[in-house]
Amino acid sequence: ETGVTQTPRHLVMGMTNKKSLKCEQHLGHNAMYWYKQSAKKPLELMFVYNFKEQTENNSVPSRFSPECPNSSHLFLHLHTLQPEDSALYLCASSQGEGSGSYEQYFGPGTRLTVT
Amino acid sequence: GQNIDQPTEMTATEGAIVQINCTYQTSGFNGLFWYQQHAGEAPTFLSYNVLDGLEEKGRFSSFLSRSKGYSYLLLKELQMKDSASYLCAATDSNYQLIWGAGTKLIIKP
Repeated sequence: ETGVTQTPRHLVMGMTNKKSLKCEQHLGHNAMYWYKQSAKKPLELMFVYNFKEQTENNSVPSRFSPECPNSSHLFLHLHTLQPEDSALYLCASSQGEGSGSYEQYFGPGTRLTVT
Repeated sequence: GQNIDQPTEMTATEGAIVQINCTYQTSGFNGLFWYQQHAGEAPTFLSYNVLDGLEEKGRFSSFLSRSKGYSYLLLKELQMKDSASYLCAATDSNYQLIWGAGTKLIIKP
């Protein structure tokens, strides 16, 4: 596989469920990102990892918990979500530190619906 | 505060030219990106400008004026496949990206 992959592509979960989103990049990049994309809103940067160390957490609620076991894999663990968390969750990777240093390569996203 | 403004939606005709504008206000500036996002797909990189002027890449060109805090994406010889959202994002002094909400471009035959 090439590029950035995400699984699952679609997820429906209840507010009491626990689920995880997975992202994998095959580009040899050292930085990985989680974004939330809601309709007609700018992309919201949630978490940044550089060389598997978290370098940014943009005031994201604790019901979202990231994990980066190595530079190629990124997870987003979800628990007790709210309906307003329904959105497209995008993973991205880039060469360097700082989300604006280099172009980012995005995965196809996970469409999350919280019921 | 930091802000990116771009039109919400634009409509153009196949074969024509369209210009999508973007204005930005950031704490410092280290370049501006344009991404294309087709419905239900990942955003893909189109262009990056850090110096004033026009950068041409085939049918797509991107322009930057740092003094005016302004950029545009120019699409020529429009094709139906150009129907997508176009995202403008500026890099601030800390090299963090500030994203616009995107411009949905609708191409009509």
